[in-house]
Amino acid sequence: GAGVSQTPSNKVTEKGKYVELRCDPISGHTALYWYRQSLGQGPEFLIYFQGTGAADDSGLPNDRFFAVRPEGSVSTLKIQRTERGDSAVYLCASSQDSSSYNEQFFGPGTRLTVL
Amino acid sequence: GNSVTQMEGPVTLSEEAFLTINCTYTATGYPSLFWYVQYPGEGLQLLLKATKADDKGSNKGFEATYRKETTSFHLEKGSVQVSDSAVYFCALSTAATNAGKSTFGDGTTLTVKP
Repeated sequence: GAGVSQTPSNKVTEKGKYVELRCDPISGHTALYWYRQSLGQGPEFLIYFQGTGAADDSGLPNDRFFAVRPEGSVSTLKIQRTERGDSAVYLCASSQDSSSYNEQFFGPGTRLTVL
Repeated sequence: GNSVTQMEGPVTLSEEAFLTINCTYTATGYPSLFWYVQYPGEGLQLLLKATKADDKGSNKGFEATYRKETTSFHLEKGSVQVSDSAVYFCALSTAATNAGKSTFGDGTTLTVKP
C-alpha cells in the first residue's frame, strides 16, 4: 500500500512569510508525528497526534509553529513569520497507534529553506 | 530526560568488513530501542528493534542486542556490502514520555567501498 507522503518536497520562502506543510499518513494509522531534522543531526520531535487531538506538542519551538489534524488523517504543520533558523527538513511519520514499541513509518520529508 | 549517543562518523569500510556502530542511551522509564536507516535519496525506515532487555533485533544481516546493564544497543553486521552505504540512526521511545515519541541520535554515515 501507499506509504506516508509529504508535500511539497521542497519549499523556498522569504523571511517573515507563512508556510504550510502537509502530511498524508498511512491509511488506518491513528498516531501521527512531526519531526524536524537539521543537517548532520537526527530528527527532533515537534508534536504528535493520537487521532484528531495533539497528545504532545512539547517539541514545538515557539508559538509560531502550529499543527492540525482535523479529521484524524491528513495533518498540516503551519509556520508563521518564518525565520532563517526554521530552515530544515520537516519529517512526518505515522504508526498504528502511539505504543512506544511500534515502528514509525516516515515520509520523504519537506525541505524548507527560508531566505 | 531521554537521550541517545551514537558513535561519530563517518565510517568507511571495505566490502565484507565487520561493522559495529555504537549506541548508548539514557531514558526515563523502560525504553524500546530502534535502529533506523536512511539510504541515499530515501526516507527513514526501520532496520530493527528490541523492546525488552536481552532481546536481539535482526534484519538484513544486521543485529543489535538490548543491554540494560550497559544501556547500549550497538549495531553489528558481519560482512557489509556496498548497498549498506547509508546513514544509521539509533532511537528510543518510552511509555513514560508520551508513548511513541522517539528520541534519535545524530546518525552515523557508513560508506562501503568495493
